[in-house]
Amino acid sequence: QVQLQESGPGLVKPSETLSLTCTVSGGSSSRYYWSWIRQPPGKGLEWIGYIYYSGKTNYNPSLKSRVTISVDTSKNQFSLNLSSVTAADTAVYYCARAWCVGCADYWGQGTLVTVSS
Amino acid sequence: QSALTQPASVSGSPGQSITISCTGTSSDVGGFNYVSWYQQHPDKPPKLMIFEVSNRPSGVSNRFSGSKSGNTASLTISGLQAEDEADYYCSSYTSSSTLVFGGGTKLTVL
Repeated sequence: QVQLQESGPGLVKPSETLSLTCTVSGGSSSRYYWSWIRQPPGKGLEWIGYIYYSGKTNYNPSLKSRVTISVDTSKNQFSLNLSSVTAADTAVYYCARAWCVGCADYWGQGTLVTVSS
Repeated sequence: QSALTQPASVSGSPGQSITISCTGTSSDVGGFNYVSWYQQHPDKPPKLMIFEVSNRPSGVSNRFSGSKSGNTASLTISGLQAEDEADYYCSSYTSSSTLVFGGGTKLTVL
């Protein structure tokens, strides 16, 4: 059974970098899009980006200048870095596995990250 | 990229059918057969219900169906049940190789 689990600080100060890791268990890393999606409290889903198993990345154009997604296959983990955060980046952050760009079949439970001083 | 347009809310009685629309452009919904639908219950991660416009993942009830016409995709739920009450989101692949979500639709089962 594939499982994904997000981890990282729940509180980040404005202007700093938000860093999250997603640990994957129970499956291989081949031919999947390892994705990050976020959801501000009470609002809808926003796609952040993905890293394909080949290492190719693609990001939401509105976040592209601040986002980096990377993968560590030796640890079965992939990570999200979002720089220069503001209160608008406060959200539940989900990691997900997708076999096509929009076909996310396994999700983490989500982690709330609050941006506040 | 702009979010896809969904109605904020829809409602129906048990046993009835409802349809949720998802409108985009020729650069996303209309240009590709890569529209997905997700169901989200409160405080839970989204669950994939439909992929590639009309395909159901294993384990998803056949009461859920998807279709597309031009720049608008639709999710139909037949035989409404209380457990179907949730938020529903569409998503589409785009011409920039990115993904865009709809704003979400709250389904109320009366």
